[in-house]
Amino acid sequence: GDSVTQTEGPVTLPERAALTLNCTYQSSYSTFLFWYVQYLNKEPELLLKSSENQETDSRGFQASPIKSDSSFHLEKPSVQLSDSAVYYCALSRAGKSTFGDGTTLTVKP
Amino acid sequence: GAGVSQSPSNKVTEKGKDVELRCDPISGHTALYWYRQSLGQGLEFLIYFQGNSAPDKSGLPSDRFSAERTGGSVSTLTIQRTQQEDSAVYLCASKQGGSPDNEQFFGPGTRLTVL
Repeated sequence: GDSVTQTEGPVTLPERAALTLNCTYQSSYSTFLFWYVQYLNKEPELLLKSSENQETDSRGFQASPIKSDSSFHLEKPSVQLSDSAVYYCALSRAGKSTFGDGTTLTVKP
Repeated sequence: GAGVSQSPSNKVTEKGKDVELRCDPISGHTALYWYRQSLGQGLEFLIYFQGNSAPDKSGLPSDRFSAERTGGSVSTLTIQRTQQEDSAVYLCASKQGGSPDNEQFFGPGTRLTVL
């Protein structure tokens, strides 16, 4: 079946540090890839999504699917305090989505 | 427009009681999902409805859990004979159509506490 593996957390970074959260996936089918973000005591919301071979940019975050190694890493050149949250990588095919376990990011002053 | 709504927002029940959790998806969204999020954990898929198709129940953890979706809109997740390990936030999400590139919109969740 489908699977998604994310960077093990928690991740703690100082403000303005560069961020990379790893995501790799396994699927026998053509898939669409997503990053969702969940702020404290809130529901998850879409951060960005990408179809294959297209880079996506949202709120300063970027992710580019690399089909050759089944990856969809999330990057941001300079994090802010407000980026502290849990980040979920997910893949979707047909109707069902598969989520990774989530990575907790804490940004400190 | 209105987002996904869930009720109740909080539910406290005693072990062994049955509970019903309700989800109102975004109007026109044909896909509906239920997830469970235990404290400090990720999203655990429970069940997925798409239009009039048979639901994908592959994530339901036991036969105490069931869900239905009436008229292709509102969904109810029922947990029978609740156990303390059922305590979690239950999230509902809806999506427009069955296309895999559409995003899911999540509701605020129902926090279930089983005493």
